[in-house]
Amino acid sequence: QVQLQESGPGLVKPSETLSLTCTVSGYSITRGYYWGWIRQPPGKGLEWIGSIHYSGNTHYNPSLKSRVTMSVDTSKNHFSLKMRSVTAADTAVYYCATIYDGAYMDVWGKGTTVTVSS
Amino acid sequence: QSALTQPASVSGSPGQSITISCTGTSSDVGGYNYVSWYQQHPGKAPKLMIYDVNKRPSGVSNRFSGSKSGNTASLTISGLQAEDEADYSCCSYAGSSTFRFGGGTKLTVL
Repeated sequence: QVQLQESGPGLVKPSETLSLTCTVSGYSITRGYYWGWIRQPPGKGLEWIGSIHYSGNTHYNPSLKSRVTMSVDTSKNHFSLKMRSVTAADTAVYYCATIYDGAYMDVWGKGTTVTVSS
Repeated sequence: QSALTQPASVSGSPGQSITISCTGTSSDVGGYNYVSWYQQHPGKAPKLMIYDVNKRPSGVSNRFSGSKSGNTASLTISGLQAEDEADYSCCSYAGSSTFRFGGGTKLTVL
């Protein structure tokens, strides 16, 4: 049974880079699926950030594309998110998830809270 | 990329049925049969309840059902139970391997 766990700093300074990792267990990241990042600002709705295939093929939310890079490390069975030039508006709970059949988020991590503040 | 439109809140009494709408455009909801719905209890991660407009994952109660007409998708919960009180969000495939979420709807069981 696939399980996902987000990790990374809980506090990031404005203008710096947010870096998060999602570790996959119970399933090889190379077996398939797209893998995604979704965030939820406090009191607001969910926002899709982007998706990545183990081959490295990526797709990003057009509104975030200029600041976001996703990558995969198959040797560690994890995938990562980097978001540059963060502001307070990037404060959110960040979730990683499987994207099954390219159409829906099937399994979610528990989420990690990232606060952007000096 | 605009979010899909959902009502901020809905409510119902135990045993009743409620419907939550999710309105998009022909570029997302209306253009693809890839609408999914997620249940989220406070402080918890979202849980998939409906996918591909009207399919239920294994383990999800058949009290939950989904449908779509034009640019609007709907989630119906019948036989409301106290445990159904949560936030519900819709999501649609929007082409070119991108997704749009709705703003979320808070369901209160009276």
